[in-house]
Amino acid sequence: DARVTQTPRHKVTEMGQEVTMRCQPILGHNTVFWYRQTMMQGLELLAYFRNRAPLDDSGMPKDRFSAEMPDATLATLKIQPSEPRDSAVYFCASGGLAGITGELFFGEGSRLTVL
Amino acid sequence: QQPVQSPQAVILREGEDAVINCSSSKALYSVHWYRQKHGEAPVFLMILLKGGEQKGHEKISASFNEKKQQSSLYLTASQLSYSGTYFCGTAIIQGAQKLVFGQGTRLTINP
Repeated sequence: DARVTQTPRHKVTEMGQEVTMRCQPILGHNTVFWYRQTMMQGLELLAYFRNRAPLDDSGMPKDRFSAEMPDATLATLKIQPSEPRDSAVYFCASGGLAGITGELFFGEGSRLTVL
Repeated sequence: QQPVQSPQAVILREGEDAVINCSSSKALYSVHWYRQKHGEAPVFLMILLKGGEQKGHEKISASFNEKKQQSSLYLTASQLSYSGTYFCGTAIIQGAQKLVFGQGTRLTINP
């Protein structure tokens, strides 16, 4: 059963610490999205990749966030330094060759709490 | 660019119908609908493409008015399992075809 895998599922950290979230997209999918979900903002698009190349990261605070795809099986989202306002659930979603004209499959999310 | 959904929340009794609307200020290439249950990931319902027709999924269907840049999701004879938050996602014609989601509509179905 193909699925998007995200780690960690839960992370509690202190302000100022570095946080790295990882995503393994479904094998063969070439589009990867990172979304952040909070009660106030809903599902915010942070960044997305196609064929490992970053196409848009305009939704991401550039001074502290970075997103990469070191290879086709791994996408990472890093926050350094973390702040309490970064507390949210971070979702990774992957899509096939149809890109955004097809279904996106979401991972279960990484719930981040920054104290 | 974020689409606007309405209403923000709906409470129904089982068997009643609901309509959720999604509108954009930009020319749209596609509209996507997802449902998210509490504590879970969003799950795909359907996509409507520019020039496409109304889509259906069990008792859930949707339409896409390209001229008005609006989409509506129709839930008929709602079931308890329909409860959750519904998100519309839109991709605009110009620029990178990224998928941006609305704020969501929380649907509660009571027995």
